[in-house]
Amino acid sequence: NAGVTQTPKFRILKIGQSMTLQCTQDMNHNYMYWYRQDPGMGLKLIYYSVGAGITDKGEVPNGYNVSRSTTEDFPLRLELAAPSQTSVYFCASSTVEEWDEKLFFGSGTQLSVL
Amino acid sequence: AQSVTQPDIHITVSEGASLELRCNYSYGATPYLFWYVQSPGQGLQLLLKYFSGDTLVQGIKGFEAEFKRSQSSFNLRKPSVHWSDAAEYFCAARGGGSQGNLIFGKGTKLSVKP
Repeated sequence: NAGVTQTPKFRILKIGQSMTLQCTQDMNHNYMYWYRQDPGMGLKLIYYSVGAGITDKGEVPNGYNVSRSTTEDFPLRLELAAPSQTSVYFCASSTVEEWDEKLFFGSGTQLSVL
Repeated sequence: AQSVTQPDIHITVSEGASLELRCNYSYGATPYLFWYVQSPGQGLQLLLKYFSGDTLVQGIKGFEAEFKRSQSSFNLRKPSVHWSDAAEYFCAARGGGSQGNLIFGKGTKLSVKP
C-alpha cells in the first residue's frame, strides 16, 4: 500500500531555477492538496484539486503552479525559485465523502532555495 | 477571519502522566474539527475528527477530544502518555462544504520525559 508518494525528498535550488515536485496517490482519491510547512507556522494550503482537470488556489498560491491531468498525479511547479519558497512541502489526498473525510499525507519534500 | 489557535507551542509531560492539548477556533458557525499528529520527518496522520453529534470523540492511539461550543474549543486528551507519543500535534478546522479550506493551527510540540 503506497498511499501518497512524493519525490524528491530533498532538493537544493539556486535562486531563479525551476523544478517540479511530484505527487502521486494510488487510493483513487478525487481530492488532492499541496501544503507548505514553515517552522512554527503550521501548514498553509498552496493549491488543491477536486478532480482531474480541476484545480484551485489555496491560501498561498503565488510563485507556484499545478496541473491535474489524471486522478493519480498532482505535480507542483516552481517557476522562478526564491528564498521565500524554502520550506517543507506536503502533498495530501482525501475522499469526497465528508463523513469519511481524512487527509492522507506524503512524507514531504524539504526544499532549500539559496 | 476564520482561525485556529493552539496556545501552547511546546509541552513536556512525564511518561504515564495525563495530557491535554488546547485548541480554540474562530468561525461563524461550528466548523468540522480535526486533530492530526506529525512524527519527525513524516507527514501528518489523522487522530480524530468531529463533525456533529456526541461532543466527546474517540480517536486512534488512545486519544480523545471534547468539543465545547460555549468555549469554541476542541481540546485533545490522553489519560496516560507513552514515550512514542512525542510528536507535533496540529488542530485543524474547516467550514462545511468547503473541502479546500482546511485551516491548521501552528502546532504543539509534545516532549515526553522518561
